[in-house]
Amino acid sequence: GQQLNQSPQSMFIQEGEDVSMNCTSSSIFNTWLWYKQDPGEGPVLLIALYKAGELTSNGRLTAQFGITRKDSFLNISASIPSDVGIYFCAGRDGANSKLTFGKGITLSVRP
Amino acid sequence: GAGVSQSPSNKVTEKGKDVELRCDPISGHTALYWYRQSLGQGLEFLIYFQGNSAPDKSGLPSDRFSAERTGGSVSTLTIQRTQQEDSAVYLCASSDGPGGYGYTFGSGTRLTVV
Repeated sequence: GQQLNQSPQSMFIQEGEDVSMNCTSSSIFNTWLWYKQDPGEGPVLLIALYKAGELTSNGRLTAQFGITRKDSFLNISASIPSDVGIYFCAGRDGANSKLTFGKGITLSVRP
Repeated sequence: GAGVSQSPSNKVTEKGKDVELRCDPISGHTALYWYRQSLGQGLEFLIYFQGNSAPDKSGLPSDRFSAERTGGSVSTLTIQRTQQEDSAVYLCASSDGPGGYGYTFGSGTRLTVV
């Protein structure tokens, strides 16, 4: 089946640093989404991307839909302690299909 | 409701017992999804309901797992004869259609089988 690859499994950064996360796939997706999960909560949608090459920002977050439609990245600038959590990428390959999720990256921010 | 509501939030059960997990989606959302999240394993798709269509059950790991959605709203995920490997967080999500912007997730039910 389809798989989305996120690595590394964990990232540790210093408060104030920028961080970039990648998500890759062996197959094409038409929609890419990034979610964040806080402890004890369900994932929350951060950014949705619908066109190849699209670059979208949401505050300190910036995400891009790769030109090949097989990858996406998420940038977090000037990290703060509340950025801690698990970041999932997700993709959809058709208008009526369900989302496929990556395994997530756990981000830790040192004050 | 304003969000996706799941109950119970935590469930501890003995191996071999049956459990029922409930999901109340956002009012008007036609699509409902169940995912399982095990430590370090990401989100594993279980089952998907869309309107009155037959559900996509392709992710259910065994015949001990079943789900139903009554009246196009509330859904119940049932696990029969629970095993220790069923311990995980079970997440429900809903969307306003298969092509919706994304899913809105509930907070999940943490199931522990002892």
